[in-house]
Amino acid sequence: KQEVTQIPAALSVPEGENLVLNCSFTDSAIYNLQWFRQDPGKGLTSLLLIQSSQREQTSGRLNASLDKSSGRSTLYIAASQPGDSATYLCACGGATNKLIFGTGTLLAVQP
Amino acid sequence: NAGVTQTPKFQVLKTGQSMTLQCAQDMNHEYMSWYRQDPGMGLRLIHYSVGAGITDQGEVPNGYNVSRSTTEDFPLRLLSAAPSQTSVYFCASSYSAVSGELFFGEGSRLTVL
Repeated sequence: KQEVTQIPAALSVPEGENLVLNCSFTDSAIYNLQWFRQDPGKGLTSLLLIQSSQREQTSGRLNASLDKSSGRSTLYIAASQPGDSATYLCACGGATNKLIFGTGTLLAVQP
Repeated sequence: NAGVTQTPKFQVLKTGQSMTLQCAQDMNHEYMSWYRQDPGMGLRLIHYSVGAGITDQGEVPNGYNVSRSTTEDFPLRLLSAAPSQTSVYFCASSYSAVSGELFFGEGSRLTVL
């Protein structure tokens, strides 16, 4: 059974710092890996989707990588801003688009 | 562009009551799904649908029922509410039933007393 782990559970950084969020998974037979952002009391917003055949995806200040052989993905956020404060969730996509989620990393960017 | 719309946003039920959480999407997505989010558990898949008339169970289907009569709507029914069903429920849709970006609604917060 796929298990997805995100470490750390919480992270606080000063504004402007580059940071890396980690996601690990136990079963490498995934269709894709997705990173989401969740603001308090809100739904999830898709940030990046990496198909299983890809190694990384970039969008603005965000870069996500995927290493299926080691069961790891990272989300790199460059030049962090207070508006980046949120919970970041990774999810492994299986057959018929079923997602297995990690429990998230709560990020606080201090001005 | 509404995206995925969920109603109600908040609901309080008594044990044994039934209710339906509504989900509608205006993106002509074939794939729709329901997740529940609980503290420390992450999001877990309840039911999903790959098209009108087709539904299947996810990881935690017990106590819930779904139907998909149209492409746009995917209601989630709680048959006899239990305190264990207190949670935040999210509906999501995707253009692809195989491997595509999921678009989520704002969530429905349910409390069962």
